[in-house]
Amino acid sequence: GAGVSQSPSNKVTEKGKDVELRCDPISGHTALYWYRQSLGQGLEFLIYFQGNSAPDKSGLPSDRFSAERTGGSVSTLTIQRTQQEDSAVYLCASSLAQGRYGYTFGSGTRLTVV
Amino acid sequence: GESVGLHLPTLSVQEGDNSIINCAYSNSASDYFIWYKQESGKGPQFIIDIRSNMDKRQGQRVTVLLNKTVKHLSLQIAATQPGDSAVYFCAENTGGAQKLVFGQGTRLTINP
Repeated sequence: GAGVSQSPSNKVTEKGKDVELRCDPISGHTALYWYRQSLGQGLEFLIYFQGNSAPDKSGLPSDRFSAERTGGSVSTLTIQRTQQEDSAVYLCASSLAQGRYGYTFGSGTRLTVV
Repeated sequence: GESVGLHLPTLSVQEGDNSIINCAYSNSASDYFIWYKQESGKGPQFIIDIRSNMDKRQGQRVTVLLNKTVKHLSLQIAATQPGDSAVYFCAENTGGAQKLVFGQGTRLTINP
């Protein structure tokens, strides 16, 4: 597609439920990143995929968070047993190469845990 | 859409004036820097980048200045327009690193 597409754009879930957030990167972009943006905060790195290499999961805040990228394209971020502190905007970005050329971000998924 | 970053540093300027947004970065080994603009309800959008072998780079109405001695980055926006109202983030990358590290962001408000 022409840009990075994220779905859903908004998600309200009950505490304790699992959620899945989807990201469709720009075709041909080998690098894919997930960031989290809480209200009043900057962008917090979560996880990074580059081609077929093992993902960099160093930013995942707990083992309730996981992500996968199938076929080097679409990525899904899963949050299990959601907590209120998980409420944030989850941003996905892709780039042609690792970190060097600037990312193209999607519009994000606003997650609200009630 | 809802605004993000309600507690961010803010800068208010009059329409038509120039604005300067500052950023202090943390890693002296960082060698690539980017400014992003984020409008309400949208993802960050690339504005301009600069490599550490430069100290100034100009784009359309924007200029980025890099002072490696004091680890300081600034974004200058000339003749600000209402559409420039947004949150602006700087980001740094260290050679070989896999990801960009983002600053806290500054909210720019343009007064008519």
